[in-house]
Amino acid sequence: GQSLEQPSEVTAVEGAIVQINCTYQTSGFYGLSWYQQHDGGAPTFLSYNALDGLEETGRFSSFLSRSDSYGYLLLQELQMKDSASYFCAVIRPGGFKTIFGAGTRLFVKA
Amino acid sequence: NAGVMQNPRHLVRRRGQEARLRCSPMKGHSHVYWYRQLPEEGLKFMVYLQKENIIDESGMPKERFSAEFPKEGPSILRIQQVVRGDSAAYFCASSPPSGANVLTFGAGSRLTVL
Repeated sequence: GQSLEQPSEVTAVEGAIVQINCTYQTSGFYGLSWYQQHDGGAPTFLSYNALDGLEETGRFSSFLSRSDSYGYLLLQELQMKDSASYFCAVIRPGGFKTIFGAGTRLFVKA
Repeated sequence: NAGVMQNPRHLVRRRGQEARLRCSPMKGHSHVYWYRQLPEEGLKFMVYLQKENIIDESGMPKERFSAEFPKEGPSILRIQQVVRGDSAAYFCASSPPSGANVLTFGAGSRLTVL
C-alpha cells in the first residue's frame, strides 16, 4: 500500500516564504511530484524529484530525501495568487501510477 | 496544441441513469489516467490506460464503473446506475510514453447526481 501525509492548511503573508512538507510510505517509489490546484480548476504540474536534493524553478523549489521518505515544496516571495491547494504525489514503478496526497490548502494574506 | 480535453464539463444525472465522461489526451500522449475528487479532498486514482489496454484499474469500484481507451477516439469513463455518492469531479490526465512523471490534467467533468 501507500500513504502520503501533508498538513491540511498553511497560512502565510504576502512576500514571505512557506514550506509544505510531505512524508510518504509506499511499497515502490520512482519519484515525488508537486501539483497546484486553484479552486474550481485543474491540477497543474509544478516540480518533480527523482533523486535526493533540491530542484529550483523560479520562486518554487522542491526537495527530496529518499532515505527519510520525505520531501517539501518551498514557495518564496509569496503572492496572493499562490493561494491554492498543493498536492504531493508519489510515482510508483511498474506502471508509473501517480498517487496523490490529500493536499495542503495555502492561504496567502496581505 | 490543444491540452487535455474533457467533456462534458458539467453533467447532471438522476439516480439510476448512466454517465459517460470523455477525455482526449494531448497530442502525442498515449497514456491516460482518471482521477476522482470530492470537494475539499485529494485526487483518488481510478484507472490508468494506454491505447486499447487497461494497465491498472486498482482504484476503480468493482461494480458500475468501467473505462476504455479505444484505438480511435477518446477515453471514456462510464458509470452505470449512478448513485448520489458518485457526485464528484472526475479529472483525466495524460502523459507521453517517456514522461509519466509529468501529468497534464484536463479541466475536469463535474457530475451531479440528483
